[in-house]
Amino acid sequence: QSVLTQPPSASGTPGQRVTISCSGSSSNIGSNTVNWYQQFPGTAPKVLIYSNNQRPSGVPDRFSGSKSGTSASLAISGLQSEDEADYYCATSDDSLKAWVFGGGTKLTVL
Amino acid sequence: EVQLVESGGGLVQPGRSLRLSCAASGFRFDDYALHWVRQAPGKGLEWVSGISWNSGIIEYVDSVKGRFTISRDNAKNSLYLQMKSLRAEDTALYYCATVSADCSGATCNEYFHHWGQGTLVTVSS
Repeated sequence: QSVLTQPPSASGTPGQRVTISCSGSSSNIGSNTVNWYQQFPGTAPKVLIYSNNQRPSGVPDRFSGSKSGTSASLAISGLQSEDEADYYCATSDDSLKAWVFGGGTKLTVL
Repeated sequence: EVQLVESGGGLVQPGRSLRLSCAASGFRFDDYALHWVRQAPGKGLEWVSGISWNSGIIEYVDSVKGRFTISRDNAKNSLYLQMKSLRAEDTALYYCATVSADCSGATCNEYFHHWGQGTLVTVSS
């Protein structure tokens, strides 16, 4: 029952474009920027996208983020096997006065 | 190189206390806000608590308010989480993370930038 709603799973074949959605409300995504994190099994999360659509240095431009209203999306183009991981959206919530995460999306590369 | 090393986790009985530590290096510690984020086994990420650079702003998720206390010692480059009245639902891998800000004019957008590898807390009788 996360405050932000993500699909639990997504999949694609190598080379495809995959998008992962993140739905929130006016008090979180509607009011603040969205960040995306990538997590491989047994490792710590890593920031993938910040401020809705900014990539930290070292993150391939195959990864892109967008936000519209109370929803955000992460797009991965040219899907590669090494992209298989869990992806989380996150933002701050003005009503809860807390940071909130989506439930996570497990991406499988078929 | 930024390094965050958590410690202090372990097996503890319900109702007991535990103190987590996060030792930082490779950056100017007192320039950054720090947070604790946890992940229950096989579950997603949950923000727990955050503290500003000078401890002037402290926040907690509702489920730990009154039980957990976050603190920092800038002289020792360390972050702490004192956990009391532990419950089974507190069982998780606890990560510490730095907060970086992307600023444009008067607006700054924050994100969790560097993460430690986590320390596991198991609450069970």
